[in-house]
Amino acid sequence: SQQGEEDPQALSIQEGENATMNCSYKTSINNLQWYRQNSGRGLVHLILIRSNEREKHSGRLRVTLDTSKKSSSLLITASRAADTASYFCATDAGYGGSQGNLIFGKGTKLSVKP
Amino acid sequence: NAGVTQTPKFQVLKTGQSMTLQCAQDMNHNSMYWYRQDPGMGLRLIYYSASEGTTDKGEVPNGYNVSRLNKREFSLRLESAAPSQTSVYFCASLGGYNQPQHFGDGTRLSIL
Repeated sequence: SQQGEEDPQALSIQEGENATMNCSYKTSINNLQWYRQNSGRGLVHLILIRSNEREKHSGRLRVTLDTSKKSSSLLITASRAADTASYFCATDAGYGGSQGNLIFGKGTKLSVKP
Repeated sequence: NAGVTQTPKFQVLKTGQSMTLQCAQDMNHNSMYWYRQDPGMGLRLIYYSASEGTTDKGEVPNGYNVSRLNKREFSLRLESAAPSQTSVYFCASLGGYNQPQHFGDGTRLSIL
């Protein structure tokens, strides 16, 4: 079963606009991670936010975490055509009693038009 | 800087054939993982190996076996392939707690 659920499933914006994706999850977590997947490629790690953190930044990326609402958001500012990809949230909730095991959501497909 | 390497990249099998997918990492990571990704879905965990010498079932282990050959290599075997196993398979490795996983580029497997 999927732990995380991203919203929206698909998002289409113009270059230069901001893109916001949301992730909700069901159980307590050790950390939450965001990954990007370009078409036909593997997943690339973007940001990891620990359960005791509320916000993290990396370049044009901003991630927030609200553990009381069991939700996270990924903001991409000043988007570029190269940001076109699928974005996945993944939670480390100690699946199988082992820290580090991730449960992935179904992803948000972002399309940035030039 | 190879990271996680998966072979082969593409494979077509007939129902009932067997096959082993190979994965190797050069980052000295303890933990390794096998996932499958189906259209419109996120990744689902098949098997994982928390450390050399140990393997455990994930969310969707049926029809698969794994071997952690050494610290670097973690293979996934389909003993009798079924069309439902048509998918993209990803291997990943993890260096430690609160660290991100590192992924290979995947193996695209079609079973006819």
